[in-house]
Amino acid sequence: DVKVTQSSRYLVKRTGEKVFLECVQDMDHENMFWYRQDPGLGLRLIYFSYDVKMKEKGDIPEGYSVSREKKERFSLILESASTNQTSMYLCASARDREPYEQYFGPGTRLTVT
Amino acid sequence: GQNIDQPTEMTATEGAIVQINCTYQTSGFNGLFWYQQHAGEAPTFLSYNVLDGLEEKGRFSSFLSRSKGYSYLLLKELQMKDSASYLCAVLDSNYQLIWGAGTKLIIKP
Repeated sequence: DVKVTQSSRYLVKRTGEKVFLECVQDMDHENMFWYRQDPGLGLRLIYFSYDVKMKEKGDIPEGYSVSREKKERFSLILESASTNQTSMYLCASARDREPYEQYFGPGTRLTVT
Repeated sequence: GQNIDQPTEMTATEGAIVQINCTYQTSGFNGLFWYQQHAGEAPTFLSYNVLDGLEEKGRFSSFLSRSKGYSYLLLKELQMKDSASYLCAVLDSNYQLIWGAGTKLIIKP
């Protein structure tokens, strides 16, 4: 059974704190993604990675960075959390060939106060 | 720009049939996905269409017309557990998924 796990389901942080969100997949997928999801908006891509140590900016990378030191692990870092980063964060992974189906982790609901 | 449109919300009755439409304008096309997302949970894969036509999978079917930039998800014999959001997403020429905002489906007894 395919599995994507995320380090926390719920997280509360203060403005200015550094926040780490971790994602691990056990399917040996090449591609990994970080999205945020806000009410009324579609999933918005923050960063993605198609290989170890490789990263590409998505649609909304500002205020975020990522790290992929191992194939199975993809971390999202909020260098200095702000209230507008309060959101649901979803990690996904996908194989690098058809059908490119993305498998999602359970999500982390982050609240920045 | 790239755009995916789907209705914000739909209501249907238990046991009935509902069709959720999705229209898209994207730079290139390498397939269209439908995902189901229950409240507070992660999206789960429902279907993938890359060729025109209808793909049937149990109570759920998905249709694609590439020339019209149009897809629909058909749900038959609706059950209360089908209450969820349904997300349409297109794989563009860069093999990136472009997501619609989702359609919230409410099932009434």
